[in-house]
Amino acid sequence: GNSVTQMEGPVTLSEEAFLTINCTYTATGYPSLFWYVQYPGEGLQLLLKATKADDKGSNKGFEATYRKETTSFHLEKGSVQVSDSAVYFCALSDLGGSQGNLIFGKGTKLSVKP
Amino acid sequence: GAGVSQSPSNKVTEKGKDVELRCDPISGHTALYWYRQSLGQGLEFLIYFQGNSAPDKSGLPSDRFSAERTGGSVSTLTIQRTQQEDSAVYLCASSLDPGGPAYEQYFGPGTRLTVT
Repeated sequence: GNSVTQMEGPVTLSEEAFLTINCTYTATGYPSLFWYVQYPGEGLQLLLKATKADDKGSNKGFEATYRKETTSFHLEKGSVQVSDSAVYFCALSDLGGSQGNLIFGKGTKLSVKP
Repeated sequence: GAGVSQSPSNKVTEKGKDVELRCDPISGHTALYWYRQSLGQGLEFLIYFQGNSAPDKSGLPSDRFSAERTGGSVSTLTIQRTQQEDSAVYLCASSLDPGGPAYEQYFGPGTRLTVT
C-alpha cells in the first residue's frame, strides 16, 4: 500500500541554519506530494506541493523537488527563522485511485533557536 | 472567505458515552475528509465523502465510528461507546474536485476529544 516515511525529530537548529527534512514515499500510480505545516496552537496548513515528477514546489523560502527515481520529496530551506518552528508533515495523494485522501508521514518537529 | 470550521473545539466525555463532532466545509467544496491525529498513530485518514457518491469508510477503526454528510455540506462524525484510545484531535478537511489541477485540502482547527 501507499506510505510516507519522513525523518524522525525533533530537529533543533540555530537561526539562519540550513534545513533538510527527508521524506520518501511508496505509492502505486503517480501520486501528488505535499508538505503541510502545523504551527504551535494552529491547524494544518499546506506549505507546498508538486503534482508530477521533477516539479519543484516552493513557498516562504521552503522548497521540495519531486524525485521519482529516488521516490523522495525532501524539504529544504536555506536559512531558517525562529518563526519556522513547527511540525512538518510530508504527505501523498494518489489521485489515480478512487479517492484523494492524504497519507501522512509521522511529522518532524522543528525548533529554531535564536 | 470562511475556512473549514469544526465544533466543538474541545470535548471531554466519559468512557462509554457517545459523541458527535461537526464539520462545516468551505462552501462549494465537493469533497470532505475526516482524519484523526494522535500521539501514537500520527495523522490517520478516517472517511471521505465526494459529492453524492457513497463514502469511502476504509479508514474507520471500528464499527463504533460512523459519519454522515447531509445535503453535500455539513458532516457529523459520531463515536459510540467511546473508549480511552479514542482520545485524539479529530480533523476535518475539504477540497474541490480531487482530480482537478487546483486540488488542495483545507483543514479545520480540529476537535480535541478527551475520553476519561
